[in-house]
Amino acid sequence: AQSVTQLDSHVSVSEGTPVLLRCNYSSSYSPSLFWYVQHPNKGLQLLLKYTSAATLVKGINGFEAEFKKSETSFHLTKPSAHMSDAAEYFCVVSGYGGATNKLIFGTGTLLAVQP
Amino acid sequence: DAGVTQSPTHLIKTRGQQVTLRCSPKSGHDTVSWYQQALGQGPQFIFQYYEEEERQRGNFPDRFSGHQFPNYSSELNVNALLLGDSALYLCASSLQRAYVDYEQYFGPGTRLTVT
Repeated sequence: AQSVTQLDSHVSVSEGTPVLLRCNYSSSYSPSLFWYVQHPNKGLQLLLKYTSAATLVKGINGFEAEFKKSETSFHLTKPSAHMSDAAEYFCVVSGYGGATNKLIFGTGTLLAVQP
Repeated sequence: DAGVTQSPTHLIKTRGQQVTLRCSPKSGHDTVSWYQQALGQGPQFIFQYYEEEERQRGNFPDRFSGHQFPNYSSELNVNALLLGDSALYLCASSLQRAYVDYEQYFGPGTRLTVT
């Protein structure tokens, strides 16, 4: 069965400093992995997606994530945090390889950005 | 191009009542998935509809049922509401093709409160 574990429920950074949100996954198949962001009272927005192409995936708003099979990790990073990055971030694995499938969400990491 | 739309935005129901939530997929999409997001949790997959049939189902009781119409729009029905059904209900749309894991686009959600 597929699952993801987000290692931090809350992360606080200062504006202009790097962001690291950690995620480990478990999958019986070659996984599709995603990071979604949810701003307060807004829907979920896809930041980036890994589907067995390049292991370093670049997303929107300067975010990127690296797929490391040996460590079963898919950590999200950004070189310099902006106030507008404050939101809840979800690491997600797709149900199984192949056609569009159910998404399995982690419990989320709430990112706070201090001025 | 309209994205995924959901109605209503908010809903308050009493225990034991029934509720119907509606979703219109992004233009060109043929697959609709429903998720339940309890407060402070990640979304959980309820079910997915494609070609007017339920294709995948998560771990939800039969009180949760759905329908997809020929225009690809979808309804989520919940019978005999419980207090624990209070949550944000998210609809996601995508394409469905074999061996391709398409991105799922989320709507803003319907906030259901059961009293």
